[in-house]
Amino acid sequence: AQSVTQPDIHITVSEGASLELRCNYSYGATPYLFWYVQSPGQGLQLLLKYFSGDTLVQGIKGFEAEFKRSQSSFNLRKPSVHWSDAAEYFCAVGDPNTGGFKTIFGAGTRLFVKA
Amino acid sequence: EPEVTQTPSHQVTQMGQEVILRCVPISNHLYFYWYRQILGQKVEFLVSFYNNEISEKSEIFDDQFSVERPDGSNFTLKIRSTKLEDSAMYFCASGTLGSYNEQFFGPGTRLTVL
Repeated sequence: AQSVTQPDIHITVSEGASLELRCNYSYGATPYLFWYVQSPGQGLQLLLKYFSGDTLVQGIKGFEAEFKRSQSSFNLRKPSVHWSDAAEYFCAVGDPNTGGFKTIFGAGTRLFVKA
Repeated sequence: EPEVTQTPSHQVTQMGQEVILRCVPISNHLYFYWYRQILGQKVEFLVSFYNNEISEKSEIFDDQFSVERPDGSNFTLKIRSTKLEDSAMYFCASGTLGSYNEQFFGPGTRLTVL
């Protein structure tokens, strides 16, 4: 069965520092891969997605993610974190064999940003 | 910018009562989804809906749950007899044909079952 693991429950970084949020997935082939952000009391906003092609994908708000097939990973990065980036981040996978109807989310990583 | 809307934002109900959560997807979208997030836990897939039928559902989506697109614009989730453990945030999402499952989420409805 598909699964998504986000090993870090929470991470604290200083404003202006770089950020990397880890995501590992378990799936027989390359799934559709997503990162979503959820601010307190808000819905989920798509940051970026990977389906195929270039393994480094750019998203909104200065985020990028790199798909590494050998490591079954899709880590999210940002070179310089802003205080407004404090939120919960979810990695998710969709099964291309089913048209991606079912999306499986990781448990999330809560990002804290300190001044 | 078009967005998914959900009503109500917060619903309080007594155990055993029926609730209907409503969603208005983005107008040209054809795929619709419901997810739930129990407080402090991960977002869980409930069901996907396309072409007026369920495409896929999770083990959570048992006979107590149903979905409907009653009028071509709304997309509803009904829980027939709520249980305490149904208390959660329920998110609706919609997507377009050929979007590889890119989904646009609504702000959620917080359901509290007493």
